[in-house]
Amino acid sequence: NAGVTQTPKFRILKIGQSMTLQCAQDMNHNYMYWYRQDPGMGLKLIYYSVGAGITDKGEVPNGYNVSRSTTEDFPLRLELAAPSQTSVYFCASSYSAPRDEQFFGPGTRLTVL
Amino acid sequence: AQSVAQPEDQVNVAEGNPLTVKCTYSVSGNPYLFWYVQYPNRGLQFLLKYITGDNLVKGSYGFEAEFNKSQTSFHLKKPSALVSDSALYFCAVRDSGFSGGYNKLIFGAGTRLAVHP
Repeated sequence: NAGVTQTPKFRILKIGQSMTLQCAQDMNHNYMYWYRQDPGMGLKLIYYSVGAGITDKGEVPNGYNVSRSTTEDFPLRLELAAPSQTSVYFCASSYSAPRDEQFFGPGTRLTVL
Repeated sequence: AQSVAQPEDQVNVAEGNPLTVKCTYSVSGNPYLFWYVQYPNRGLQFLLKYITGDNLVKGSYGFEAEFNKSQTSFHLKKPSALVSDSALYFCAVRDSGFSGGYNKLIFGAGTRLAVHP
């Protein structure tokens, strides 16, 4: 199993540009999550999905969108990049919630200039 | 509301000495508690969890954690630290009694563990 994979590893965007962060898992997990990690702030939940076709907002969803057309994939879309979106983005998955641990991808480091 | 506190930004330990990384939590129901570790430029890796039962939980790489309900704590411990244990450690909590919507996992801000030779 590859686990949770994320692409790209690094990206620099200009203000106002758009991009999609890709996330895929091969563990047949129902739940998938997007977090952002800012220095000294822990992880904040952006969006989550409890299964294909079902998504919902987390704590910090503004400026982002998601879709979940398959069990395996959960892309995160940034429509109009802003400097405040400079962060490290992690995708995670779990079979179920709330007892199950989450499995994390390696992260995408995004800089918006 | 759920919350997690990791009171120490950094913990310094000599190799071979015992280590403790502290975590306290607040939930309205019973907690589900987790510890994750993050090595440089990597995603978080699961270490151990407390769901119910024995208060002492054993996890990966020789780590263990003790759930203390009266002190609302879940401190991470290891009897003998290794230089390779140096990393960023996150405590997380979920409220098992939550009944509405999605029961999200709340992370602490993280504690950097530095083990010196």
